Amino acid sequence: LAKTTQPISMDSYEGQEVNITCSHNNIATNDYITWYQQFPSQGPRFIIQGYKTKVTNEVASLFIPADRKSSTLSLPRVSLSDTAVYYCLVGDVSGYSTLTFGKGTMLLVSP
Amino acid sequence: KAGVTQTPRYLIKTRGQQVTLSCSPISGHRSVSWYQQTPGQGLQFLFEYFSETQRNKGNFPGRFSGRQFSNSRSEMNVSTLELGDSALYLCASSFSPRGSEAFFGQGTRLTVV
Repeated sequence: LAKTTQPISMDSYEGQEVNITCSHNNIATNDYITWYQQFPSQGPRFIIQGYKTKVTNEVASLFIPADRKSSTLSLPRVSLSDTAVYYCLVGDVSGYSTLTFGKGTMLLVSP
Repeated sequence: KAGVTQTPRYLIKTRGQQVTLSCSPISGHRSVSWYQQTPGQGLQFLFEYFSETQRNKGNFPGRFSGRQFSNSRSEMNVSTLELGDSALYLCASSFSPRGSEAFFGQGTRLTVV
């Protein structure tokens, strides 16, 4: 599975847009990129998944450049409740349920 | 629909004892995976079951085992507990192992004293 690198932590204020970038230099052709969110003492929650270009849902956008060696999770207008750890995962469809989590990015949103 | 249910939510055990944790997946989901989360090691994959068969296993000692029943419910067992086994144990279910979004339960907080 492709290794991912994310910032350990990020700080933001309510109402701002937050962009978290993940590097995955050795991503394979069949790999998808998925982001999960985790609050303390809870299980991770799926946010968004993509393969290339841009994907948007009701909570976030995922930007993937043409070379797919990185991806950026964009959270519009964050609130205090968005304070959580965000994980970037890369894996191919055939074995995707075996999720390999890195250290994640701790996002702290302040008033 | 109901989410992934893990029982119990909290557990305190003594070193040397064994423990069994239970996971009920979302209805219709046939794939169940288990993860251990600790502050030092983060989220680590334990094993995955699909249709009662173990498909993958992480790098954990043989004291950690699991099984899946015909109704897709799963259990994991840890024998001869060690202090280092204290962790949040998470179960995730998905419709199939192939490219499916995984839904996690709230976890079982195990404390070994």
